[in-house]
Amino acid sequence: AQSVAQPEDQVNVAEGNPLTVKCTYSVSGNPYLFWYVQYPNRGLQFLLKYITGDNLVKGSYGFEAEFNKSQTSFHLKKPSALVSDSALYFCAVRDMDSNYQLIWGAGTKLIIKP
Amino acid sequence: DTGVSQNPRHKITKRGQNVTFRCDPISEHNRLYWYRQTLGQGPEFLTYFQNEAQLEKSRLLSDRFSAERPKGSFSTLEIQRTEQGDSAMYLCASSYQRDSNYGYTFGSGTRLTVV
Repeated sequence: AQSVAQPEDQVNVAEGNPLTVKCTYSVSGNPYLFWYVQYPNRGLQFLLKYITGDNLVKGSYGFEAEFNKSQTSFHLKKPSALVSDSALYFCAVRDMDSNYQLIWGAGTKLIIKP
Repeated sequence: DTGVSQNPRHKITKRGQNVTFRCDPISEHNRLYWYRQTLGQGPEFLTYFQNEAQLEKSRLLSDRFSAERPKGSFSTLEIQRTEQGDSAMYLCASSYQRDSNYGYTFGSGTRLTVV
């Protein structure tokens, strides 16, 4: 069965430090991977995607993610965290058995402390 | 075009009442999706339209739920005889067919509270 796992419910990082939000996946075939961010009482905002090509993908707001096929991971990273990065982050993978549906992780709450 | 618009933003209803939500996608997007999100969880797929055709429905979509997209533009999601378990954020997203591999644009959602 296809799935996405975000093993951490919450990640705490001091402002200015690098951050990593973890995501692992299980799909048949080549994965299409996405990261979205959700601020309180708001919809989901697209951050970045991996479809093909370079394993390091750069996205919005200074975020990047590294696709690692051998480890079936797609961790979200940022070199220097900002307090305004505090939000809920979701990893998703395209459902290969469906018509462009996404399978979502449960989300990771990122808290950046001043 | 300011993106995907959802109305209302919040809805409080009594158990047993019917509710209807509206989604206006980005005008050139021909694909429209409805998701449901409960607190602390990722979105759950409900249904999907390509133009006016409803092509997929989740098993989560009981017979109390119905969605329409009559002219291939805006969409409505109706919940009949609401139950407390229907309390959630209902999210709409749209995409353009050829760009569907590149993610959706989501609206801000409609938060439903059934009391």
